[in-house]
Amino acid sequence: AQRVTQPEKLLSVFKGAPVELKCNYSYSGSPELFWYVQYSRQRLQLLLRHISRESIKGFTADLNKGETSFHLKKPFAQEEDSAMYYCALSGDSGGYNKLIFGAGTRLAVHP
Amino acid sequence: DGGITQSPKYLFRKEGQNVTLSCEQNLNHDAMYWYRQDPGQGLRLIYYSQIVNDFQKGDIAEGYSVSREKKESFPLTVTSAQKNPTAFYLCASGLGTAYNEQFFGPGTRLTVL
Repeated sequence: AQRVTQPEKLLSVFKGAPVELKCNYSYSGSPELFWYVQYSRQRLQLLLRHISRESIKGFTADLNKGETSFHLKKPFAQEEDSAMYYCALSGDSGGYNKLIFGAGTRLAVHP
Repeated sequence: DGGITQSPKYLFRKEGQNVTLSCEQNLNHDAMYWYRQDPGQGLRLIYYSQIVNDFQKGDIAEGYSVSREKKESFPLTVTSAQKNPTAFYLCASGLGTAYNEQFFGPGTRLTVL
């Protein structure tokens, strides 16, 4: 079964501390993975996708197929990083593409 | 102003009533999606459509119905058969391929009284 697991509901850190939001997935094929973010009073939006291998707002995520993980990392958290973060897996369902989301992790960065 | 819009922002419904949530996009996207967002459960897919006049059930389609008569529009009807309809509903659109992102609307909060 296709599944995305985010084990932490809440991650609370101080400004300047490193951040790692965990994401594990279950998928039989070759996965396409994404991180979406929802800031307070804003729309859900794409943060980054693994295929791009990019760093957005200082965040990076590496796909580890051996551990079936796609953890989101940032070396120094900022207060403006406080938001809800969702890991998502793009899965094929009979030729139709759809996203499967994890339950989300709320990141709270304190001054 | 390009983008994806949802209306209304807040919606109240009495038990036993059907209600329709609007979703419109002018991004020329082929694919459109409806999700339900509940605290602690993330986003769950209700219905999705890859092209006009075609749509597929998602993981929690029971009690919901959709139509896709125009590329720009993908309305969702919450029927009286939906046991627990009070939730935040998100509409999204995209190119429909595995690598492409989905663009989300602002959402509609439905409350059943």
